[in-house]
Amino acid sequence: AQTVTQSQPEMSVQEAETVTLSCTYDTSESDYYLFWYKQPPSRQMILVIRQEAYKQQNATENRFSVNFQKAAKSFSLKISDSQLGDAAMYFCAYRSAKERGGNKLVFGAGTILRVKS
Amino acid sequence: NAGVMQNPRHLVRRRGQEARLRCSPMKGHSHVYWYRQLPEEGLKFMVYLQKENIIDESGMPKERFSAEFPKEGPSILRIQQVVRGDSAAYFCASSPNLRDTQYFGPGTRLTVL
Repeated sequence: AQTVTQSQPEMSVQEAETVTLSCTYDTSESDYYLFWYKQPPSRQMILVIRQEAYKQQNATENRFSVNFQKAAKSFSLKISDSQLGDAAMYFCAYRSAKERGGNKLVFGAGTILRVKS
Repeated sequence: NAGVMQNPRHLVRRRGQEARLRCSPMKGHSHVYWYRQLPEEGLKFMVYLQKENIIDESGMPKERFSAEFPKEGPSILRIQQVVRGDSAAYFCASSPNLRDTQYFGPGTRLTVL
């Protein structure tokens, strides 16, 4: 079974600076998807970024980018120019690309990000 | 295009009562997923449904929990004879097909007294 590990329970960053959130995963599959979701105090789950394992290029969405290291099974999220609105719980998630079992997201335990003004 | 809708947002039940949680997927989405988030934890998969069919219920407790997604109307997650340990946030997500990104609703926070 696949597992996702977020080793940083909590991180802090100064407004306008850059922060990197870590995520590692364990799988024997070669084709899969990885995601970062953000959960602000409202508890809504918001998709931040998605990466397909077959793509070598790292995904980027405005101030958010990932460092996907397939061999190391690492998928870190970099937030540049941090803003107060980035403060939230961030979850890393894995999903198999297999037809069978490719429906469920497997989540890490989350990292709380605090942004200081 | 309205997002995934869940209601109620907050639900309070006494031990032994039934809880019904509703989820209306985004327009054009026929795949629905339910997840549970216990306090201070990440989300855990419960069940995956397509219209009128349960495809994967491997994460669903064997007793007291059931889910449906009828041809017409929202998907329902039903918890019978609730216990304190059922207190959690229940999230629904939907996607247009199996390969697409899952989009989440705002969740239903269930409190069992």
